[in-house]
Amino acid sequence: EVQLVESGGGLVQPGRSLRLSCAASGFTFSSYWMHWVRQAPGKGLVWVSRITSDGSITIYADSVKGRFTISRDNAKNTLYLQMNSLRAEDTAVYYCSTNAGGGPYYWGQGTLVTVSS
Amino acid sequence: QSALTQPPSASGSPGQSVTISCTGTSSDVGGYNYVSWYQQHPGKAPKLMISEVSKRPSGVPDRFSGSKSGNTAFLTVSGLQAEDEADYYCSSYAGSNVVFGGGTKLTVL
Repeated sequence: EVQLVESGGGLVQPGRSLRLSCAASGFTFSSYWMHWVRQAPGKGLVWVSRITSDGSITIYADSVKGRFTISRDNAKNTLYLQMNSLRAEDTAVYYCSTNAGGGPYYWGQGTLVTVSS
Repeated sequence: QSALTQPPSASGSPGQSVTISCTGTSSDVGGYNYVSWYQQHPGKAPKLMISEVSKRPSGVPDRFSGSKSGNTAFLTVSGLQAEDEADYYCSSYAGSNVVFGGGTKLTVL
């Protein structure tokens, strides 16, 4: 059974940093591209970033480019999202997901990030 | 990276069929057969219902079907059931990134 478990969310002040993790199990993690998707409270889904299976290629949404970094450790079956220079508008539930058929496939339960002073 | 366009709401009575549209451009929906549909109940993570325009993952009822015409994709839910009441989102591959629709709240009357 595919399992994705996000962690690392919490309350952080504007301008500070936070690193999210996503622990994967139940599938061959190193074979799959992965995504981060976020959802602000009461709003829709917004794609954030994706990474190829070997970590060599990363793509970002314009809203986070230059501030967020996606990475992975295939030996630890873990996906990361380093978030720097956080803003109030980054407040959201962050989901990690596998990629298949051109987009997110299996999803984790999400971790809430709140950016507020 | 503009969002795909979905109607904000849709509704139907139990047993009826409802179709939700998802309109993009030739750079996303129209350019690739990589449209997905997700169901999200309140407080829950999204669940994939349709992949690659019309493929149903294992475990998804065959009441859910997907199609595409030009720059618009469609999700049809047949034989509506109470548990189908949820938010539905479409997404499309867009060359390097992924773009989502704004979501449609489906109400079962």
